Amino acid sequence: KAGVTQTPRYLIKTRGQQVTLSCSPISGHRSVSWYQQTPGQGLQFLFEYFSETQRNKGNFPGRFSGRQFSNSRSEMNVSTLELGDSALYLCASSPRTGVYEQYFGPGTRLTVT
Amino acid sequence: GENVEQHPSTLSVQEGDSAVIKCTYSDSASNYFPWYKQELGKGPQLIIDIRSNVGEKKDQRIAVTLNKTAKHFSLHITETQPEDSAVYFCAASKTDKLIFGTGTRLQVFP
Repeated sequence: KAGVTQTPRYLIKTRGQQVTLSCSPISGHRSVSWYQQTPGQGLQFLFEYFSETQRNKGNFPGRFSGRQFSNSRSEMNVSTLELGDSALYLCASSPRTGVYEQYFGPGTRLTVT
Repeated sequence: GENVEQHPSTLSVQEGDSAVIKCTYSDSASNYFPWYKQELGKGPQLIIDIRSNVGEKKDQRIAVTLNKTAKHFSLHITETQPEDSAVYFCAASKTDKLIFGTGTRLQVFP
């Protein structure tokens, strides 16, 4: 089975711009979660989607948003980028929502200049 | 809020020795505890997990123990090999949201 795929792998954006990241979960997995990883804050939960609905949300500003499509693929969007948004954005898929194992993709490295 | 503390932050061992990483969680309702290994340039890889109704779980050279009363859990790696070198993260969860520890950089010297 193919693993979680994320595109693009690397991205450079300028302050004030917006960005959209994409995630394709493992085939058959319906839950997709997003995490932000930085050296200072570590791994932090952004949000989780299941059946096209946001089920859980972390403590991030409204500039961070996401959505899930009927094929379980997910996108996250960050508007009005700030320097502090530079991070590795990780997507994780799970067979179902709730307390189940999560499998991570390789991440998208976003650099904001 | 929910918090997971992880120690040590760095750990150096000789090949063949054992390595132990410890985590403490704050939310007594947490009931799922996975461990992830992250190599440079890659996403975290799930290596073992344990649920709150189990005290210990083993998978070849890797084992995890859970003490619910003390709210701590540990990862044990025996007969370490150079390819075990990576950053290891513990996490705790009571829902689909994982709360991660700060990571342990393990270096295994030949």
